[in-house]
Amino acid sequence: DTGVSQDPRHKITKRGQNVTFRCDPISEHNRLYWYRQTLGQGPEFLTYFQNEAQLEKSRLLSDRFSAERPKGSFSTLEIQRTEQGDSAMYLCASSLAQGSGRGREQYFGPGTRLTVT
Amino acid sequence: QKEVEQDPGPLSVPEGAIVSLNCTYSNSAFQYFMWYRQYSRKGPELLMYTYSSGNKEDGRFTAQVDKSSKYISLFIRDSQPSDSATYLCSQGSWSNDYKLSFGAGTTVTVRA
Repeated sequence: DTGVSQDPRHKITKRGQNVTFRCDPISEHNRLYWYRQTLGQGPEFLTYFQNEAQLEKSRLLSDRFSAERPKGSFSTLEIQRTEQGDSAMYLCASSLAQGSGRGREQYFGPGTRLTVT
Repeated sequence: QKEVEQDPGPLSVPEGAIVSLNCTYSNSAFQYFMWYRQYSRKGPELLMYTYSSGNKEDGRFTAQVDKSSKYISLFIRDSQPSDSATYLCSQGSWSNDYKLSFGAGTTVTVRA
């Protein structure tokens, strides 16, 4: 399977604990995105990387959230001191950004469902 | 006002019917559009991508974009029970081409 993969698929944690999620994009894709989706809503943009550079962060990404993409390959999203409001599906997507009009399709992974108790 | 409004549904149709899904958007900067299908507890799957006004067809799916009215639609012909899912419309702009803005989704059930 050459699609976007995410690990773990499910995570249950207690409030105050730190959690880390991993995303492996489609291998030739240069952009990697993180979104958050809550029940009954569409995904909301959190942040994105072009190669290894993190170029944009949403105001939804509080100081407790940090994302990395070392060497422009896989990415990690860490949430420190989790709160119950962090419970959501965390989605990773990737794309191959090219010239105007092309490469804007984003391909999503299966998501990591986080439950904070 | 949300940037993207999507008919909330849910929709329930008999097998073989045409499913019609609609979204409106307020930001005239949106220039390309995607439809995703999402099964329960799964990630969104890209169905259609278009950046032109008019119709784009792919198999049983037709995406329709009217930029003058800021209105987009997805039609599913000959619907199957396997089409039962939540459908998400999304929009992006060339100037901020890293971010998609999504509607809340419409849940469709196709009855056998």
